[in-house]
Amino acid sequence: DIQMTQSPSSLSASVGDRVTITCQASQDISYYLNWYQQKPGKAPKLLIYDVSNLATGVPSRFSGSGSGTDFTFTISSLQPEDIATYYCQQYDNLPLTFGQGTRLEIK
Amino acid sequence: QVQLQESGPGLVKPSQTLSLTCTVSGDSISSGAYYWSWIRQHPGKGLEWIGYIYYSGSFYYNPSLKSRVTISVDTSKNQFSLKLSSVTAADTAVYYCARDGKRYRDLDYWGQGTLVTVSS
Repeated sequence: DIQMTQSPSSLSASVGDRVTITCQASQDISYYLNWYQQKPGKAPKLLIYDVSNLATGVPSRFSGSGSGTDFTFTISSLQPEDIATYYCQQYDNLPLTFGQGTRLEIK
Repeated sequence: QVQLQESGPGLVKPSQTLSLTCTVSGDSISSGAYYWSWIRQHPGKGLEWIGYIYYSGSFYYNPSLKSRVTISVDTSKNQFSLKLSSVTAADTAVYYCARDGKRYRDLDYWGQGTLVTVSS
């Protein structure tokens, strides 16, 4: 299985801050990466697919980049409603695998 | 509006079989445009993909669960189902069903999730 490692595991930031989460794959996954947001008690929500494409209705403050083994997820200006746990997911090889999650809190 | 809804017992005894059904509305499984996946999340933990099924009945199971998992589809009811046999406390989790894009494997619609507790 391809292992996905996110960093940091948790993050505290202020409203308006630029927030960056990284995701590293255990092998080259080309551009085959998605990002999800999960709020407490809710199902995950697709934010970004294929590294950098915003899902329908997702605000433009969210963005993604990267290729190969190293990927980045960015919130350009943190909003209170962005408090959640974020997961990356690779689809280069089955089984689909997720990062362990990054918990984002408001400072 | 695509909606998925999981249903099934919230409590299963050890060694028994966990059975869940996902009912899809707003989309047709038999269109063949998507895969249909099951994912679980242990309490306070990350996401584990269990496997998927296609309208034709083709499937893939995560090797970590392969020996105990069966995913099936009923296109007449627009449902797909999960069976996990010989459960233990380690199978206690929230189980989600989701629509799975064929090209980008993006899980774009999810059920709300159902907590299944394995306990005697």
